[in-house]
Amino acid sequence: DVKVTQSSRYLVKRTGEKVFLECVQDMDHENMFWYRQDPGLGLRLIYFSYDVKMKEKGDIPEGYSVSREKKERFSLILESASTNQTSMYLCASSSSSTGPGRGNQPQHFGDGTRLSIL
Amino acid sequence: GNSVTQMEGPVTLSEEAFLTINCTYTATGYPSLFWYVQYPGEGLQLLLKATKADDKGSNKGFEATYRKETTSFHLEKGSVQVSDSAVYFCALSDRRFGGYQKVTFGIGTKLQVIP
Repeated sequence: DVKVTQSSRYLVKRTGEKVFLECVQDMDHENMFWYRQDPGLGLRLIYFSYDVKMKEKGDIPEGYSVSREKKERFSLILESASTNQTSMYLCASSSSSTGPGRGNQPQHFGDGTRLSIL
Repeated sequence: GNSVTQMEGPVTLSEEAFLTINCTYTATGYPSLFWYVQYPGEGLQLLLKATKADDKGSNKGFEATYRKETTSFHLEKGSVQVSDSAVYFCALSDRRFGGYQKVTFGIGTKLQVIP
């Protein structure tokens, strides 16, 4: 089974701090994603990466950056944390392979990091 | 752009009731469609998927059929259990120019099943 591991389940930081959220997957997936989940808003894509050292902005990249130095690891960075970044953060990975009849591959999610910015 | 529409809920049902959660989508091209489930305190898990029109995905008693003519992918279960209480997300996936995956999620529907 695919395992996506997020480094922390709960995290409390202060306004203005630089915050790192780490995500590791063990299935050699090409694609990795960072989402935030807020009540009434569903999942919103922050950044994604489809290869090592590659990154693409999602729908809400402002205030965030990412790093993908190795295929299995995708880090989300809050450059200067603010209270409006208090949220649940979810990491996901997926394979790029399609193959006959396989369609686009599903995403595999970590358990999430609940981040509070005070 | 692509979009997925589903009711937010909560949907409250008694145990053994029939469940339908509606999902409609707009997309260009030929997306794959998914249902994910999120249990309290956990991340999302794939529940079922369908990759082309008229495909039926099924898992754990849940079913959904890819209807291209109505752009829908409604989730159904004949008899729900208390353990099915969770948030259910409908999603579609297609390929942007360049070949990599773009996933669009619905807002999520909270299901509460009472004994």
